[in-house]
Amino acid sequence: EVQLVQSGAAVRKPGQSLKISCKGSGYSFIDYWITWVRLMPGKGLEWMGIIFPDDSSLKYSPSFEGQVTFSVDKSNTTAYLQLNSLKASDTAIYYCARHYAPGWAGYQIGLDVWGQGTTVAVSS
Amino acid sequence: DIQMTQSPSSLSASVGDRVTIACRASQNIYNYLSWYQQKPGKAPKLLIYDASTLQSGVPLRFSGSGSGADFTLTISSLQAEDFAIYYCQQSYTTPMSFGPGTKVDIK
Repeated sequence: EVQLVQSGAAVRKPGQSLKISCKGSGYSFIDYWITWVRLMPGKGLEWMGIIFPDDSSLKYSPSFEGQVTFSVDKSNTTAYLQLNSLKASDTAIYYCARHYAPGWAGYQIGLDVWGQGTTVAVSS
Repeated sequence: DIQMTQSPSSLSASVGDRVTIACRASQNIYNYLSWYQQKPGKAPKLLIYDASTLQSGVPLRFSGSGSGADFTLTISSLQAEDFAIYYCQQSYTTPMSFGPGTKVDIK
């Protein structure tokens, strides 16, 4: 079964950082782009950026650049989202998702497999 | 950046109704458009990609159409399990923006 399994819910204080994991299984992890998506309470989905596990090529949304860092560990088929200098406004659910098609151009097709989401609460 | 809009932002419908949701891009995105369904507490689910291709396992009552900048998601006969929020997303270029969503609830 193709799946993405994310790390569990986390609570942090303002100013702290957090690294969320997204482990892929059941497919060739390095061959499919991974996108990160944020869902804030009562709001819509926001595209944070994308990473290609094979060579770690990536692109951040301008709205998130400088505030987040994407990385991958190919040997553990895991993608990571690091959230830096957390603020209360970073309280949200964060999803990883796989693009439908393999290869460099695969990012242009939709997101067919999603992680279960990681709930992050930032509060003093 | 490409801006995505959806209309309506919400609608109330009954089981059996035909429902249409519109999505518009701020520029030509060819057919690089996907539709997702999200239910409370769940991850989004891919319904349609390439504007009109039905994802495997998705019921045939869902269909997508359009190209360029204007797209439509149609549910031919709304079922109880279809009450959810629907999002469109363009994948033509980064940032791959989502529409604001359309909430479909029970009349």
